[in-house]
Amino acid sequence: GQSLEQPSEVTAVEGAIVQINCTYQTSGFYGLSWYQQHDGGAPTFLSYNALDGLEETGRFSSFLSRSDSYGYLLLQELQMKDSASYFCAASGSARQLTFGSGTQLTVLP
Amino acid sequence: DAGVTQSPTHLIKTRGQHVTLRCSPISGHKSVSWYQQVLGQGPQFIFQYYEKEERGRGNFPDRFSARQFPNYSSELNVNALLLGDSALYLCASSFIPGANNYGYTFGSGTRLTVV
Repeated sequence: GQSLEQPSEVTAVEGAIVQINCTYQTSGFYGLSWYQQHDGGAPTFLSYNALDGLEETGRFSSFLSRSDSYGYLLLQELQMKDSASYFCAASGSARQLTFGSGTQLTVLP
Repeated sequence: DAGVTQSPTHLIKTRGQHVTLRCSPISGHKSVSWYQQVLGQGPQFIFQYYEKEERGRGNFPDRFSARQFPNYSSELNVNALLLGDSALYLCASSFIPGANNYGYTFGSGTRLTVV
């Protein structure tokens, strides 16, 4: 089985940088994904790390350390529209996603 | 191009009833997965289908069943509804099973309320 832990809430101001951490315990780990979900909306894919290191996509970056069973999502130049829930999700040999409980990001003006 | 479409968007059912939820994946995608998201929690895996065959099943009771049709659309069926089945049911579409650099594309879900 797999389990993931991430902080329940994070608050930051507009223009700042925020990091959302995720630790996982898995069997047959393939990679770590990140999804954004606004209230009542569909989860939206942000990034995927299969190998150790940093992946950058615009204002978002994601990092993975397989040896530490740890990853993070870095959001730069925060905007009000970034207020949402962010989920890390592990994929294993069974190829389905196991999601963490989510981090509610609130961006203040 | 249309994204992942789910119907209905909202549904209210009574305990003990049966419900069928529907999902149409993105054109060209052959894999559909179903997830249940209870308020305040992350989505939880229910089923995965690929080329009309079940490829994975999560830890859900036998009251939950699904199938995939030749056009790759899918249905999720839940029998003998319980209050605890109230949740957002999400359908995820991908070309093949498994997360990769393209991720899964989720529909906006069906909000099921059991009273």
